[in-house]
Amino acid sequence: EAQVTQNPRYLITVTGKKLTVTCSQNMNHEYMSWYRQDPGLGLRQIYYSMNVEVTDKGDVPEGYKVSRKEKRNFPLILESPSPNQTSLYFCASSPLGQPSPLHFGNGTRLTVT
Amino acid sequence: GESVGLHLPTLSVQEGDNSIINCAYSNSASDYFIWYKQESGKGPQFIIDIRSNMDKRQGQRVTVLLNKTVKHLSLQIAATQPGDSAVYFCADLRSNDYKLSFGAGTTVTVRA
Repeated sequence: EAQVTQNPRYLITVTGKKLTVTCSQNMNHEYMSWYRQDPGLGLRQIYYSMNVEVTDKGDVPEGYKVSRKEKRNFPLILESPSPNQTSLYFCASSPLGQPSPLHFGNGTRLTVT
Repeated sequence: GESVGLHLPTLSVQEGDNSIINCAYSNSASDYFIWYKQESGKGPQFIIDIRSNMDKRQGQRVTVLLNKTVKHLSLQIAATQPGDSAVYFCADLRSNDYKLSFGAGTTVTVRA
C-alpha cells in the first residue's frame, strides 16, 4: 500500500531533550515536507526537500533540523525542544514534474513540558 | 506573506443537502489548487484538484470551481453524508518554488 509513515504517533518529552520524528514513504517521491498544525493557524511548512541531500527552509524552520540521506526517509530533528514546539506534525510527499497533491502521514502529536 | 484563506471556520449542513465551502487566495502566481479533507486523528486526504487553466472540475459527489478573476475557489459536496463531517482545507501550489500554502480550514458538521 502506498503510504507515508510517521513514528511515533504520540510523544511526550521534556524541554531540552533531543528527539527525532521519523518519516518514510514507499512511493519513490522526490519531494518531501514537514508541517506543523496548530489551532487557528492551519498547516505551516517547517522544511522541505526536493531530492536526496537537498533541503530548504519553509515558513517556520526555527528550532528544527532535517536530513535527506535517502530518498524514502526524511526525519525531523528537534535538538533542544521547547514548549512552543508542542504541536501536531505531519510529513508529506509527492512526485515532482507535473503538479501533484501531497500524500500525508497520519501525524505525530508532540507535547513538550 | 501571501496565503490561502477560507471564508468560514465552521459549516453546519443537513444530511442530504449540498455543501459549499469557499476559499480565497491572494497569490496571482498560484497555478494549482487542491482541496483536502482531514478527519479526526488522521492526516489530510486529497479530495480533488484543479489547475489554473480550468474553471471547473468534477469528481465523485464533489466539484471544485475556480474563479481567477476574483481569486476564489470553492468546493461543492453533493448530497452531504455523515461521513463528510471533517475539516476541509484549500491549498495553492506555486509551481516556481513548489511550495504549498494552506488555509486555516473549515469544519463541516453534518446534521442527521
